[in-house]
Amino acid sequence: QSALTQPASVSGSPGQSITISCTGTSSDVGRYNYVSWYQHHPGKAPKLMIYDVSNRPSGVSNRFSGSKSGNTASLTISGLQADDEADYYCSSYTTSSTVMFGGGTKLTV
Amino acid sequence: EVQLVESGGGLVQPGGSLRLSCAASGFTFSSYAMSWVRQAPGKGLEWVSVISGSGTTSYYADSVKGRFTISRDNSKNTLYLQMSSLRGEDTALYYCAKGPTTVVNDYWGQGTLVTVSS
Repeated sequence: QSALTQPASVSGSPGQSITISCTGTSSDVGRYNYVSWYQHHPGKAPKLMIYDVSNRPSGVSNRFSGSKSGNTASLTISGLQADDEADYYCSSYTTSSTVMFGGGTKLTV
Repeated sequence: EVQLVESGGGLVQPGGSLRLSCAASGFTFSSYAMSWVRQAPGKGLEWVSVISGSGTTSYYADSVKGRFTISRDNSKNTLYLQMSSLRGEDTALYYCAKGPTTVVNDYWGQGTLVTVSS
């Protein structure tokens, strides 16, 4: 089981938009609409930001949005804020009935 | 308010065993799948295992299959992870996380640290 592929780091200025990609295969991201995104500030519990590709849990800002095309899912954060600086992880359900995480992306604002 | 509190971590020798617990409150525990996810020092998140709300179905990552066992006691609102034949690469912060489904985790605990070393 190899992790989903994410860029190691991305950066943006306050107010700008950024997109983080998450590339899998036809056995995970490409097969199911069960992609989630988590925000993780070091030392804190991870926080669910997007589930089922593009759905936002209650309380998550609409500056966060998700999409998918083929084997690649994406998380877009618009109107970047300082507090958005964190690690971001994608995850996907797989044909093995397991869940796979991406390697994580460090966002610098 | 949903609360998940992990415990049971510590230092264990290679080949040893350890049982982690996760005490849950603030929701109907038996109605939700629960998962364990770990993070090795300096590394990313790694999914470990999931168990259905009834406890009848569970799945494991290949890296722990045959060595770890997930279970739950719905009468005690507690999730467990029995770990055996521990290896250095099992050293990590272990998080317990709540459904809403087996593939999404909407609440996470703060984690319990497991260190495998002689």
